[in-house]
Amino acid sequence: DAGITQSPRHKVTETGTPVTLRCHQTENHRYMYWYRQDPGHGLRLIHYSYGVKDTDKGEVSDGYSVSRSKTEDFLLTLESATSSQTSVYFCAISAKLQETQYFGPGTRLLVL
Amino acid sequence: GDSVTQMEGPVTLSEEAFLTINCTYTATGYPSLFWYVQYPGEGLQLLLKATKADDKGSNKGFEATYRKETTSFHLEKGSVQVSDSAVYFCALSQNTGGFKTIFGAGTRLFVKA
Repeated sequence: DAGITQSPRHKVTETGTPVTLRCHQTENHRYMYWYRQDPGHGLRLIHYSYGVKDTDKGEVSDGYSVSRSKTEDFLLTLESATSSQTSVYFCAISAKLQETQYFGPGTRLLVL
Repeated sequence: GDSVTQMEGPVTLSEEAFLTINCTYTATGYPSLFWYVQYPGEGLQLLLKATKADDKGSNKGFEATYRKETTSFHLEKGSVQVSDSAVYFCALSQNTGGFKTIFGAGTRLFVKA
């Protein structure tokens, strides 16, 4: 299994509070991704990174920011959480763009 | 815009039955196509992939062929097992005019003993 961990695995927070989710990899892969998974929508790309300090927006980036200061870590921040951001968040990595992605175990976030 | 459409579930089959899960896509450029599988409480894992037209991906008895003329990538397995019960996602990934990776909504498969 690819070495990908996500923390926390579960989080409950209140509307308006900031939340940061962490993805950590031990594979030294260049590309990292954040997705959200919601019923009926499959997975939707939030942001991705193509190197340290290099990131770009995905399909559903509004309300989210990311940072990548080290190859192994990719952080997703909800600056002010809303109930519509209640979801399961997955991190993924790949060695090349347009190639197989390896997924972490997910973080279940509930915004009350 | 680019999209992936897969058949709605749930699909319920008896053990040893034949499985087909349809997947069609729209894309500009030349996407790679994937099937991922998700077991309860876990992240997605690659089942198979194809990177160009007419390629066939296969793994664990599952197969799918990249059909450019019908823009399809249907998943098939000749004889399903109870352990194949999971959610299956069709996905495309491409880097033409900007990187995109798009997943279908997922198809839940139940296999009865």
